[in-house]
Amino acid sequence: DIQMTQSPSSVSASVGDRVTITCRASQDISSWLAWYQQKPGKAPKLLIYAASSLESGVPSRFSGSGYGTDFTLTISSLQPEDFATYYCQQANSFPQTFGQGTKVEIK
Amino acid sequence: EVQLVESGGGLVQPGGSLRLSCAASGFTFSSYAMNWVRQAPGKGLEWVSTIRGSGGSTYYADSMKGRFTISRDNSKNTLYLQMNSLRAEDTAVYYCAKTVGGLPHGSFDYWGQGTLVTVSS
Repeated sequence: DIQMTQSPSSVSASVGDRVTITCRASQDISSWLAWYQQKPGKAPKLLIYAASSLESGVPSRFSGSGYGTDFTLTISSLQPEDFATYYCQQANSFPQTFGQGTKVEIK
Repeated sequence: EVQLVESGGGLVQPGGSLRLSCAASGFTFSSYAMNWVRQAPGKGLEWVSTIRGSGGSTYYADSMKGRFTISRDNSKNTLYLQMNSLRAEDTAVYYCAKTVGGLPHGSFDYWGQGTLVTVSS
């Protein structure tokens, strides 16, 4: 199985900050990587698919990059509604696996 | 508008069974793979199972293989998850989710609101 390792597990940041979350796959997954945002009590929301493609309706302050085993989600200027938990997911092969999550908290 | 609405969750005793349903609308259901993803209380996301649009192929996480069965009725636009031999560690919110594109694997662009399954005596 492909293991997905996110870092950090949590980050404290202020409104306006640039936040970067990384995700590393245990083997090459090409660009089969997605990022999700989840708020408490809500279903996850797709932000980025195919490593760098922005899902329709998602603000342009979110961006994704990477290929192979190393990937990054960047929030260019953190907004109050961005405080949430973020997950990466590899969609290259079964079992499709998620990272353990990164909680973005208010500083 | 795409909608996914899960139902069937509840309290069940260890060793018991439960069938979850997910009613889909707003897209051509038979054209897309569908998935179940779960989240234990306070924990992260865990992929459970996937079924192709035709229903011809299914995929399971190892810990669910042999206990859970995913199926779909394309005439009713409904996805199912039959869960048998339930354990305390199966306690979670279960989400159904639609796969992007026509392949069985891929990211999940639409999610239901989730249904809570609690396994306890």
